[in-house]
Amino acid sequence: GAVVSQHPSRVICKSGTSVKIECRSLDFQATTMFWYRQFPKQSLMLMATSNEGSKATYEQGVEKDKFLINHASLTLSTLTVTSAHPEDSSFYICSGASGRVYNEQFFGPGTRLTVL
Amino acid sequence: QKEVEQNSGPLSVPEGAIASLNCTYSDRGSQSFFWYRQYSGKSPELIMSIYSNGDKEDGRFTAQLNKASQYVSLLIRDSQPSDSATYLCAVNRDTGNQFYFGTGTSLTVIP
Repeated sequence: GAVVSQHPSRVICKSGTSVKIECRSLDFQATTMFWYRQFPKQSLMLMATSNEGSKATYEQGVEKDKFLINHASLTLSTLTVTSAHPEDSSFYICSGASGRVYNEQFFGPGTRLTVL
Repeated sequence: QKEVEQNSGPLSVPEGAIASLNCTYSDRGSQSFFWYRQYSGKSPELIMSIYSNGDKEDGRFTAQLNKASQYVSLLIRDSQPSDSATYLCAVNRDTGNQFYFGTGTSLTVIP
């Protein structure tokens, strides 16, 4: 499989601050990356799809001005949670699409965000 | 109708038994199918991909695809306690970026 890294793995911040999460594809070029959020004991929820060099496509109900996504290169996408609130506390996971014939998704290890 | 449906479980099997996980999908045009394993507190890990009708085996895992019935399954032979996890079925509608995930089936293997 292909490797995707995320940084940081855990972050604790105060309410009202912004947090940036980095997602990198280490051994493949990910034209498309996905950002998911997962609350405890719930299923994955797709937040947005980002294509390198273009604006992200957000799922219904996800505020694009609050969750800023930048996909500046084929190996790096960032998610910035702006003015974080306690209800934003969650497990954020990115994935990269392999771009191969069947376009598997490979997931990063996730970032656990806690907003105090 | 959801794009991908799975029985949420929990499914419990004794150690050494065969665990059978099932998934149905709604779009007949779906091209590729995936099974991911997710341990509690971790991100999903791809364990099987299947694209053609029939069976695909990889170690203790066998994926089965029946496009006519819009059904994909995962069999885990000789189940181990370490197989206890949530198994996610995913479908790619085309070779682009239309992925759909099921809500997952929780599997517990009892020693």
